[in-house]
Amino acid sequence: GQNIDQPTEMTATEGAIVQINCTYQTSGFNGLFWYQQHAGEAPTFLSYNVLDGLEEKGRFSSFLSRSKGYSYLLLKELQMKDSASYLCAVRSQYSGAGSYQLTFGKGTKLSVIP
Amino acid sequence: NAGVTQTPKFRVLKTGQSMTLLCAQDMNHEYMYWYRQDPGMGLRLIHYSVGEGTTAKGEVPDGYNVSRLKKQNFLLGLESAAPSQTSVYFCASSRTGQGLRQPQHFGDGTRLSIL
Repeated sequence: GQNIDQPTEMTATEGAIVQINCTYQTSGFNGLFWYQQHAGEAPTFLSYNVLDGLEEKGRFSSFLSRSKGYSYLLLKELQMKDSASYLCAVRSQYSGAGSYQLTFGKGTKLSVIP
Repeated sequence: NAGVTQTPKFRVLKTGQSMTLLCAQDMNHEYMYWYRQDPGMGLRLIHYSVGEGTTAKGEVPDGYNVSRLKKQNFLLGLESAAPSQTSVYFCASSRTGQGLRQPQHFGDGTRLSIL
């Protein structure tokens, strides 16, 4: 089975840096995605890691350690518009059917305060 | 720039009624998915399709049926709605399920309430 854990809520100050952690247990690992979801809206793709290490994209970075089953999303220079839920999702082979599925964590609600 | 379009956006049903949610994508994606999102539960996969004419069960398929008669459309049906099916339903599509970064693209969701 799949198990993905991430903190339920976090609060950070505008202009600061925040790290959102995600731990997972899965078989047939084939990549980890981070999505952003503003309240009442659809999830949108932020980042993807399949190999160990750091991927940087502007103010957002994502890190993966496959041996530890661990990832984090780093948000720098926080802005008020970054207030949203951040979803960690692991892609793995599904039931041996030859297809790959995403399993989502429950999401971390980030509140950015002035 | 339509991407993934879901209809309707909102719907209220009575217990026992049936309805179909429509998802259309214009990106020529092979894979399509239906999720439900409930507070404290995250996104859960209901059914998915790896191509026209094929469907498969996800994590929570009971009470739902799907069809993929055309590559661009993926329909989710509720034959006899129950209050437990009150949720926000998201459709998504992707090029394939594996390989290098192939993110899923989501529609705006359908907010469904069953009374």
